[in-house]
Amino acid sequence: GAGVSQSPSNKVTEKGKDVELRCDPISGHTALYWYRQSLGQGLEFLIYFQGNSAPDKSGLPSDRFSAERTGGSVSTLTIQRTQQEDSAVYLCASSPFLAGGHYNEQFFGPGTRLTVL
Amino acid sequence: KNEVEQSPQNLTAQEGEFITINCSYSVGISALHWLQQHPGGGIVSLFMLSSGKKKHGRLIATINIQEKHSSLHITASHPRDSAVYICAVNSGGSNYKLTFGKGTLLTVNP
Repeated sequence: GAGVSQSPSNKVTEKGKDVELRCDPISGHTALYWYRQSLGQGLEFLIYFQGNSAPDKSGLPSDRFSAERTGGSVSTLTIQRTQQEDSAVYLCASSPFLAGGHYNEQFFGPGTRLTVL
Repeated sequence: KNEVEQSPQNLTAQEGEFITINCSYSVGISALHWLQQHPGGGIVSLFMLSSGKKKHGRLIATINIQEKHSSLHITASHPRDSAVYICAVNSGGSNYKLTFGKGTLLTVNP
């Protein structure tokens, strides 16, 4: 079946512009995650959705970052007034329903490479 | 100090060699994940384990909870195994939030 897809694959923008990154999770996966991979920084957690709710937004680096998920499926990560330090690969992952105490393998999308000039 | 430390950072091997990548963590964890990322490619989950040992093909992952240490072994390495291998943990009782190591870049030469 289809895996996690993300669009666009590459985005170049000017400092100060807003960008929207899209994630289509695997059908039926209720958990969705956004991560950021910066050069030399490794992967860092941004936000987690269970269904349409985001119980943990603790990884969002500033209030310029926001995310939403609609219909328990597609998610959009929005970065307002982009800065050069926002340049990174933004990865989305999804997994099946997470009941308490259960841990699921996460399925990753190919990522969106964001370059802020 | 990072919560998750991997060693080595870089590893070069000849085809056929036995490979070991190590991961140490400093926090209590519920599960540990090994991930693979090919250059320019996406991330693939290799293993998720909370105790003991798992094997998939030429890949073996072990974890020692008491010592807070995990190893990923690759037997009979092949150039197609060249990738970044990333260790990640579910810590603090979280069943979703992953904390990642910085990765080990493996290059297998023919």
